[in-house]
Amino acid sequence: KNQVEQSPQSLIILEGKNCTLQCNYTVSPFSNLRWYKQDTGRGPVSLTIMTFSENTKSNGRYTATLDADTKQSSLHITASQLSDSASYICVVKGQAGTALIFGKGTTLSVSS
Amino acid sequence: GAGVSQSPSNKVTEKGKDVELRCDPISGHTALYWYRQSLGQGLEFLIYFQGNSAPDKSGLPSDRFSAERTGGSVSTLTIQRTQQEDSAVYLCASSSEVGLGNTEAFFGQGTRLTVV
Repeated sequence: KNQVEQSPQSLIILEGKNCTLQCNYTVSPFSNLRWYKQDTGRGPVSLTIMTFSENTKSNGRYTATLDADTKQSSLHITASQLSDSASYICVVKGQAGTALIFGKGTTLSVSS
Repeated sequence: GAGVSQSPSNKVTEKGKDVELRCDPISGHTALYWYRQSLGQGLEFLIYFQGNSAPDKSGLPSDRFSAERTGGSVSTLTIQRTQQEDSAVYLCASSSEVGLGNTEAFFGQGTRLTVV
């Protein structure tokens, strides 16, 4: 069964610290992997999208990595800010013409 | 429009009533998704439309749920005989999904449905 698992479920860090969120997936075949940020009460917004040939992609303080062999991805947030408090969702797309598969997300809380 | 538009933004309905939720995708996007998100939970896939292909309805939780996409654009999600467990935020997303589908999916702000 195609699944996307994220860890940790929730995380609390101090402002200015770094953190790494994990995503493991079993989706096969695989087209791409995306990380989304969802603020409370809002729709998800894309941070990065990576195909199987890409190992890393950055978007400002967000850096995503992908190991298509082990089917693992991580999202690293550098120098966290209060505005980073949100749910971070790992999303995998299988073959063309199939729906996106969402993980349950990691809830990040950044405190001052 | 500039983004995915959903209406209404909020809907309160009595148990047993039918509701219709509307999604206007980004113009030209061939793929359209419906998801729902219960309080504090992840996104649950409901249905996926891609071009003229038969929709993937595998996520619809019961036969009370149905969706249409007219003319390859606007989509309506209908919930018949609503139950309290249907209360959730219903999110719509669209994407151009050319080729392998390595394209962005954009989400609307959602419709918050409350069944009382």
